[in-house]
Amino acid sequence: GENVEQHPSTLSVQEGDSAVIKCTYSDSASNYFPWYKQELGKGPQLIIDIRSNVGEKKDQRIAVTLNKTAKHFSLHITETQPEDSAVYFCAAISNRKYSGGGADGLTFGKGTHLIIQP
Amino acid sequence: GAVVSQHPSWVICKSGTSVKIECRSLDFQATTMFWYRQFPKQSLMLMATSNEGSKATYEQGVEKDKFLINHASLTLSTLTVTSAHPEDSSFYICSANEDRNSPLHFGNGTRLTVT
Repeated sequence: GENVEQHPSTLSVQEGDSAVIKCTYSDSASNYFPWYKQELGKGPQLIIDIRSNVGEKKDQRIAVTLNKTAKHFSLHITETQPEDSAVYFCAAISNRKYSGGGADGLTFGKGTHLIIQP
Repeated sequence: GAVVSQHPSWVICKSGTSVKIECRSLDFQATTMFWYRQFPKQSLMLMATSNEGSKATYEQGVEKDKFLINHASLTLSTLTVTSAHPEDSSFYICSANEDRNSPLHFGNGTRLTVT
């Protein structure tokens, strides 16, 4: 099955600096890569996603890049603010598993605790 | 945007009792909903896929008689933790999407504490 690795597990950056979180996946059939932000005691919130037919997507201070050949994708947050502090999860969906019925095929990374230092 | 509502947000129950958690899609219909479990400082683990009008599909190692899932309508799925024990204490989260090509949206989770 799919295996998603996420690094680092903890990331501390100064307010205003950029933060980068990286994920790798194993299943070449994966074709959809969402990123979720989870604040303490809440459910994950979708912040950005990318499909395998594009290499980069940007939404204001957040961007995601995808390298299909290397099977890795990254989340970039620029001009970080205190409210960016949270746990971020990457995920991958394998079209192969999804179309097979049953589970949704969404495999999560282990999460990155992002700390924005004032 | 798509909104998934989960209720209750937290519940405390005694060992041996059953607890029902509701997951609703507020502004869209969802033929499929998903139930996850999350332990402190860990990632989300898929427990089961809830299918409207048919039986749920459980992941390996998840007891279907322990975690009963009912998806009676296109906007509501329920997870019932039966005969709860302290080790069932966890954060349970549901998710849904409008269709297979739409992003998954998550509810705000239910913190279950079994005493």
